[in-house]
Amino acid sequence: DTGVSQNPRHKITKRGQNVTFRCDPISEHNRLYWYRQTLGQGPEFLTYFQNEAQLEKSRLLSDRFSAERPKGSFSTLEIQRTEQGDSAMYLCASRRHGSTEAFFGQGTRLTVV
Amino acid sequence: KQEVTQIPAALSVPEGENLVLNCSFTDSAIYNLQWFRQDPGKGLTSLLLIQSSQREQTSGRLNASLDKSSGRSTLYIAASQPGDSATYLCAVARFIQGAQKLVFGQGTRLTINP
Repeated sequence: DTGVSQNPRHKITKRGQNVTFRCDPISEHNRLYWYRQTLGQGPEFLTYFQNEAQLEKSRLLSDRFSAERPKGSFSTLEIQRTEQGDSAMYLCASRRHGSTEAFFGQGTRLTVV
Repeated sequence: KQEVTQIPAALSVPEGENLVLNCSFTDSAIYNLQWFRQDPGKGLTSLLLIQSSQREQTSGRLNASLDKSSGRSTLYIAASQPGDSATYLCAVARFIQGAQKLVFGQGTRLTINP
């Protein structure tokens, strides 16, 4: 499968714990995005990478959130000291340079209890 | 600030009907508009992408139109089937603060009744 891959698909964690999600984009795509989607809403932009450089972070991304893309390939999104309000679907998307079409992964559903 | 609105929020129709989903956006400076399908608890599947210079795109029973001047797009589904039941999201691609981003509507939850 050459699509965008996200792991894990589901994560249940206790409040206060740290969690990390992984995204593997389509191989030739150098643009990578993280979005967050809460129940009944459309996805909202969190952060954006061009190769390994994180070029922008939304104000939605508090200091408890950190994202990396160390070699310009896969990316990780870490949430420290999780809160119940962090419960959401976290979606990753990638895009090829020169194209305007984004491709999404299946998402990681986080539940904080 | 770009806002995207989808109407209706939910729609339930009998199988076989043709239907139209609506999407409106406030800023016409867009790169493209994409329609996505989302099944419950799943990620987004791209259905159609209309470049800003285009007026419509077709794929099978789906047809999407774009009118930038009025800030509107429609997704037409012909001969609906129960398997079409899902949430449909539209998103506009804009260049905001140094990055191309998608701005999404809240979606239309579609139910096709057998």
